[in-house]
Amino acid sequence: DAKTTQPPSMDCAEGRAANLPCNHSTISGNEYVYWYRQIHSQGPQYIIHGLKNNETNEMASLIITEDRKSSTLILPHATLRDTAVYYCIVRVGLSGNQFYFGTGTSLTVIP
Amino acid sequence: GAVVSQHPSRVICKSGTSVKIECRSLDFQATTMFWYRQFPKQSLMLMATSNEGSKATYEQGVEKDKFLINHASLTLSTLTVTSAHPEDSSFYICSGTQGIGYGYTFGSGTRLTVV
Repeated sequence: DAKTTQPPSMDCAEGRAANLPCNHSTISGNEYVYWYRQIHSQGPQYIIHGLKNNETNEMASLIITEDRKSSTLILPHATLRDTAVYYCIVRVGLSGNQFYFGTGTSLTVIP
Repeated sequence: GAVVSQHPSRVICKSGTSVKIECRSLDFQATTMFWYRQFPKQSLMLMATSNEGSKATYEQGVEKDKFLINHASLTLSTLTVTSAHPEDSSFYICSGTQGIGYGYTFGSGTRLTVV
């Protein structure tokens, strides 16, 4: 699976959009981009995933560049409860292959 | 949505004893379960992958005789930490999937402290 690079930490003001970048320059054509987050001492929570097109759900939006070498997770109106470590993961397809976590971005939402 | 129930949430055990952690998929059949370990301020590290009815596949550097994984049914997987030592103290998390075409659901984790 392709490696990902994320900034170690970011701050965001409450109510503003949080934009979390992820670099996956070695991604293959059949690898999806997944985003999970982990609130302190809990299991990771699924946020969103995509292949090539931008995706949106009730939690977030995922913007994938045309060359697919990077992506951005957008939390449109960050709340204090969005403070967590956000992980960007790329892996092949939707099969039962392993999920390897990188170092993630620690997002702090500031009141 | 899919739920994975993990128990216990916290356990303290004495050095040299064994501890069993259970993960149950409540509303789906988990054909594959993954077990992770997470040390403080670090990311999740994949320990092993288990498919129902088969032997688990361990990641490099993980001792299979120390971390026994059983996945005897489609709804239950267990991780037993045998002869626990203080350095095994960690946060252990399981994850399940129904297989191709389905996502991954994580348990809430087990905080193991070996004293």
